[in-house]
Amino acid sequence: KQEVTQIPAALSVPEGENLVLNCSFTDSAIYNLQWFRQDPGKGLTSLLLIQSSQREQTSGRLNASLDKSSGRSTLYIAASQPGDSATYLCAVPYQGGSEKLVFGKGTKLTVNP
Amino acid sequence: DAEITQSPRHKITETGRQVTLACHQTWNHNNMFWYRQDLGHGLRLIHYSYGVQDTNKGEVSDGYSVSRSNTEDLPLTLESAASSQTSVYFCASSDPGLADTDTQYFGPGTRLTVL
Repeated sequence: KQEVTQIPAALSVPEGENLVLNCSFTDSAIYNLQWFRQDPGKGLTSLLLIQSSQREQTSGRLNASLDKSSGRSTLYIAASQPGDSATYLCAVPYQGGSEKLVFGKGTKLTVNP
Repeated sequence: DAEITQSPRHKITETGRQVTLACHQTWNHNNMFWYRQDLGHGLRLIHYSYGVQDTNKGEVSDGYSVSRSNTEDLPLTLESAASSQTSVYFCASSDPGLADTDTQYFGPGTRLTVL
């Protein structure tokens, strides 16, 4: 059974700092991995999707990497801003190419001005 | 713009009542999903559908049902609401035929309280 773990559960940093969020998964036979952002009281917004054939994806100040063999992904946020404060979740398919997702419990990020 | 909506956004009900949560998407996506989000458990899959007349059970389906009579809607029904079903419910949709394949788009959520 696929399991997803995110460390740390919470992170507080000063504005301007570069930071890394971690995600690990138990079954490396994944088709892709997604990172989502969730603001308080809101739904999830997809940030980045990395296909299994890719090593990383970039969107603005965000860079996500994927190492299938080790079962790990990282989300790098450069020059963090207070507006980046949110909960970040990673998700992988239940198995193989399934469209059903298994989510980690998220990392709650607070960026202090 | 295409979107996914949920209604109601907040609902308080009593134990034993039947409750239906609505989900409507205008992307014409084939895949639709229902999740619940609870502290300590994260997001868990309740039911999902890959197209009209197709429904499947997820990880935590007991006490819930769905039906898919058209592409746009996947209502979630709690047959007899229990306090353990107090949660925030999210609907999502996706379509692997699109360029950004497999990306799931989420609705704003419904906060359900069962007293």
